[in-house]
Amino acid sequence: ETGVTQTPRHLVMGMTNKKSLKCEQHLGHNAMYWYKQSAKKPLELMFVYNFKEQTENNSVPSRFSPECPNSSHLFLHLHTLQPEDSALYLCASSQNAQGRAEAFFGQGTRLTVV
Amino acid sequence: AQSVTQPDIHITVSEGASLELRCNYSYGATPYLFWYVQSPGQGLQLLLKYFSGDTLVQGIKGFEAEFKRSQSSFNLRKPSVHWSDAAEYFCAVGAAYGGSQGNLIFGKGTKLSVKP
Repeated sequence: ETGVTQTPRHLVMGMTNKKSLKCEQHLGHNAMYWYKQSAKKPLELMFVYNFKEQTENNSVPSRFSPECPNSSHLFLHLHTLQPEDSALYLCASSQNAQGRAEAFFGQGTRLTVV
Repeated sequence: AQSVTQPDIHITVSEGASLELRCNYSYGATPYLFWYVQSPGQGLQLLLKYFSGDTLVQGIKGFEAEFKRSQSSFNLRKPSVHWSDAAEYFCAVGAAYGGSQGNLIFGKGTKLSVKP
């Protein structure tokens, strides 16, 4: 248990569906992140939120839409996904977005797009 | 640009043998360095970190890593590997505040297999 909880753990969705991934942290952190981890590819940072403000969007397609209503919760809304979007989506949090801040990761959501 | 290189994609060692996983980084200043471990289907767990001071750092599960500035390396070591150490290992460098890659830049990972 790292203090970062992701739900659901597994998700299968069709290309026309709309679904959301949820992340919650109980660590009092101010920065939260979404990463995508595909087979045989490095971890890809998708979004960064620092004090509820989105600070980075690394050219992520608009079919992925993040939401950070407060410092403890982070969502990733999904719509009209493609099969290549199938991956493990990891949420992480850290005290702040500075380089010495250790990141704590959730267990991930395994997403399969059919 | 800041980057992390893990030159070994996959390593296999025998149980009880020693282990060294390599990590090289590119960073303009004194880096913050991390090693994470990921078991199959799980998130990443921090093994150890280096910020300053003693260049040999101890982590959890019997791992240690040595920071060598002259070689821009931060290699992970364990004197005797256990079967439960089979996992994927990621080296990361802490980026400057506000960097486009967030606060951590990860290497591509090294998958460790352990032979009985």
